[in-house]
Amino acid sequence: QKEVEQDPGPLSVPEGAIVSLNCTYSNSAFQYFMWYRQYSRKGPELLMYTYSSGNKEDGRFTAQVDKSSKYISLFIRDSQPSDSATYLCAMGRYNNNDMRFGAGTRLTVKP
Amino acid sequence: DAGVTQSPTHLIKTRGQQVTLRCSPKSGHDTVSWYQQALGQGPQFIFQYYEEEERQRGNFPDRFSGHQFPNYSSELNVNALLLGDSALYLCASSWGRRAEVNYGYTFGSGTRLTVV
Repeated sequence: QKEVEQDPGPLSVPEGAIVSLNCTYSNSAFQYFMWYRQYSRKGPELLMYTYSSGNKEDGRFTAQVDKSSKYISLFIRDSQPSDSATYLCAMGRYNNNDMRFGAGTRLTVKP
Repeated sequence: DAGVTQSPTHLIKTRGQQVTLRCSPKSGHDTVSWYQQALGQGPQFIFQYYEEEERQRGNFPDRFSGHQFPNYSSELNVNALLLGDSALYLCASSWGRRAEVNYGYTFGSGTRLTVV
């Protein structure tokens, strides 16, 4: 079993749809949870960074962490074609620089 | 304000050769981490440099080595290249010692290494 599991998709939605992206993890030592967006031929770009369980909102993006279920989600409201990219979840442990990534979910938002 | 710059963007090497990849961190950042991203996979941590020293290393063999210079730029060296080393190599910069701060990395666009 991988330490971080992420459905690779691909996921295709119409413009304006609500998108839900998810990751599960097995290591209870993870305390920091990130979502990165990666466009083709580019490096990952940090979207959301959360520490505790609960929700964090930033514009059209909402990150949700459920530590009891070892499950994190990213919701994208009013999705746009410019949101088409690969979304990577990532997790970190206290005082440990080795950030663990999921394999990424490829999202396409069709006009 | 320039972000993280990496060179070269693409590289083709023969099995057994050695390669050096270069990274300049974002202005104001003093910590550099290197990640390997195989096709269709998430990035994997190779190592991190801070104050010109390797602070932490991931699960990579000694064929992978690095260096950080006084201006915070960094190099990744890979010796005795294997076909399996073909990947996108990402440099990420951040500021300071605290891991929980470093998680908010700024990544470069990477160097695509192909080993034939």
